[in-house]
Amino acid sequence: TQLLEQSPQFLSIQEGENLTVYCNSSSVFSSLQWYRQEPGEGPVLLVTVVTGGEVKKLKRLTFQFGDARKDSSLHITAAQPGDTGLYLCAGARRNQGGKLIFGQGTELSVKP
Amino acid sequence: DTGVSQDPRHKITKRGQNVTFRCDPISEHNRLYWYRQTLGQGPEFLTYFQNEAQLEKSRLLSDRFSAERPKGSFSTLEIQRTEQGDSAMYLCASSPGGDRGANYGYTFGSGTRLTVV
Repeated sequence: TQLLEQSPQFLSIQEGENLTVYCNSSSVFSSLQWYRQEPGEGPVLLVTVVTGGEVKKLKRLTFQFGDARKDSSLHITAAQPGDTGLYLCAGARRNQGGKLIFGQGTELSVKP
Repeated sequence: DTGVSQDPRHKITKRGQNVTFRCDPISEHNRLYWYRQTLGQGPEFLTYFQNEAQLEKSRLLSDRFSAERPKGSFSTLEIQRTEQGDSAMYLCASSPGGDRGANYGYTFGSGTRLTVV
């Protein structure tokens, strides 16, 4: 059973387009994190959201945590080839030792 | 401190052999996690340590797997009698303890890619 469902799993777009990746669950999380991973490397943390309804921006990336803390989205404006990679959402629950539950990832390809 | 280091980066082994991986976390982080990632999937939790104590093990961690963190610094993950199904990327991560860790995120190493032939 996948506790965190990410969609879409694959996304291929042209440079300059906008996109949104979704991360959904029926469970409540105390925090939700987004990571970006390149082939052969470990995930790199982009952002952590902890408050329901929270919105965080990182240059052209906008992250939102759902009001009920069960879902999140990542929106990229004017995508660039450098944004290509695997995007992972991961949730943490309270009193679980900081253990993260990961979604299956969204493979993004941005073509010039 | 340059982050989380993992060694080796790649390991090819024959089925039935034992392998050991090492992880050096960020020195001030008292929590250390091991995850396994197969192609096209997100990482799956294996086990974690707070200082030298192993506090949780996933059911994914069969009795062929053992992890240690002596002295609460580096950690090793050993797989005995490897099987082809063990082929994966093994990731180590560290974080500050408590909710601070969950709220501030992990720092991952670059992983060890294991191929069992």
